[in-house]
Amino acid sequence: DAGVIQSPRHEVTEMGQEVTLRCKPISGHNSLFWYRQTMMRGLELLIYFNNNVPIDDSGMPEDRFSAKMPNASFSTLKIQPSEPRDSAVYFCASSSSGANVLTFGAGSRLTVL
Amino acid sequence: KNEVEQSPQNLTAQEGEFITINCSYSVGISALHWLQQHPGGGIVSLFMLSSGKKKHGRLIATINIQEKHSSLHITASHPRDSAVYICAVPYSGGGADGLTFGKGTHLIIQP
Repeated sequence: DAGVIQSPRHEVTEMGQEVTLRCKPISGHNSLFWYRQTMMRGLELLIYFNNNVPIDDSGMPEDRFSAKMPNASFSTLKIQPSEPRDSAVYFCASSSSGANVLTFGAGSRLTVL
Repeated sequence: KNEVEQSPQNLTAQEGEFITINCSYSVGISALHWLQQHPGGGIVSLFMLSSGKKKHGRLIATINIQEKHSSLHITASHPRDSAVYICAVPYSGGGADGLTFGKGTHLIIQP
């Protein structure tokens, strides 16, 4: 297995633009997590899905952020409109329920100018 | 929500030294994770433990559930151990949640 695959690895965009981050979890994993990492706040949970259903989105900072998981092999995190304070590394991770073993993707580094 | 405290925040040591990183959390948990983040940014899961002790090579992780405390030890440290070590626990204590993280310990091992 290639692990958790995220794209793009790097994105630079201008304030106000829409940003879409993508994640392909490990095949067979039924939980998927989106995390954001900044220097100030460290790693934070944004949202997680279990069996493609959003379970807890209380970490999503505001309505500009949305996440979807249309099927077991794909998830997106969208920011519209983006702002400079959204600049961070966004990690996707997946796990198999009950296993408590978490595998992280390489992250998507977002810079909003 | 579980609160996680790690110490120290920064640690510089000489090659060969024994390293200890500590983690405390506020809510009882099913399991605790130790993660390693390399300078390139990638995050690797080192351990998931719910009781006692686990060992992998020169790394040892221990947990005391009653005291809500875990330690990560590195024996015979090496410059390639230089990384950020992050403790993580389930968001609200259960096992099916996402994780909440400590701020991390920046470890530098000098040759």
